[in-house]
Amino acid sequence: SQKIEQNSEALNIQEGKTATLTCNYTNYSPAYLQWYRQDPGRGPVFLLLIRENEKEKRKERLKVTFDTTLKQSLFHITASQPADSATYLCALDNTGKLIFGQGTTLQVKP
Amino acid sequence: KAGVTQTPRYLIKTRGQQVTLSCSPISGHRSVSWYQQTPGQGLQFLFEYFSETQRNKGNFPGRFSGRQFSNSRSEMNVSTLELGDSALYLCASSSTGGENTEAFFGQGTRLTVV
Repeated sequence: SQKIEQNSEALNIQEGKTATLTCNYTNYSPAYLQWYRQDPGRGPVFLLLIRENEKEKRKERLKVTFDTTLKQSLFHITASQPADSATYLCALDNTGKLIFGQGTTLQVKP
Repeated sequence: KAGVTQTPRYLIKTRGQQVTLSCSPISGHRSVSWYQQTPGQGLQFLFEYFSETQRNKGNFPGRFSGRQFSNSRSEMNVSTLELGDSALYLCASSSTGGENTEAFFGQGTRLTVV
């Protein structure tokens, strides 16, 4: 069956460290993958999109990798700050539908 | 540019009733998608409308329906409400839809069924 898996356990890190979140998928062949941030009680906010022919994409302190062989995307936040604390969702296109993982909650402690 | 607007923000309904939620997309966006978000299931795709036509549909029962108007505004209707329909309903708009475009989400409508 088709699955998108993100680490359901919260990730707790110290301010200034790099946070790395994982998104694994099975039985999908997405042309691209997206990452979103969601704060409590609010809708998700788009962060980055990476295409299948791109290995890596960067935006300020954010970096995303996409390995279609491993069927995995990694999302990195460097020099993390308490304001980065939120739930991060990966999403991939499945025949025109944007399908989301369950999300990983990141807590950055000062 | 105004963002995606969903109304109402909060709603309490009784089992068996029906409810209509509204979504106004970003000006110029023609695709509107609806999602249900619950703690147990996460964000689940309901359906997508593009130029007034339902283009994609998720795995939800027929009690969940929607429509899109010529100005791209969309409504979602849930009939015969069940307790399990309590959730945050999110609408997202994009310029052309799922292919390679980011989705802009509204704040959501929090529906509680009692």
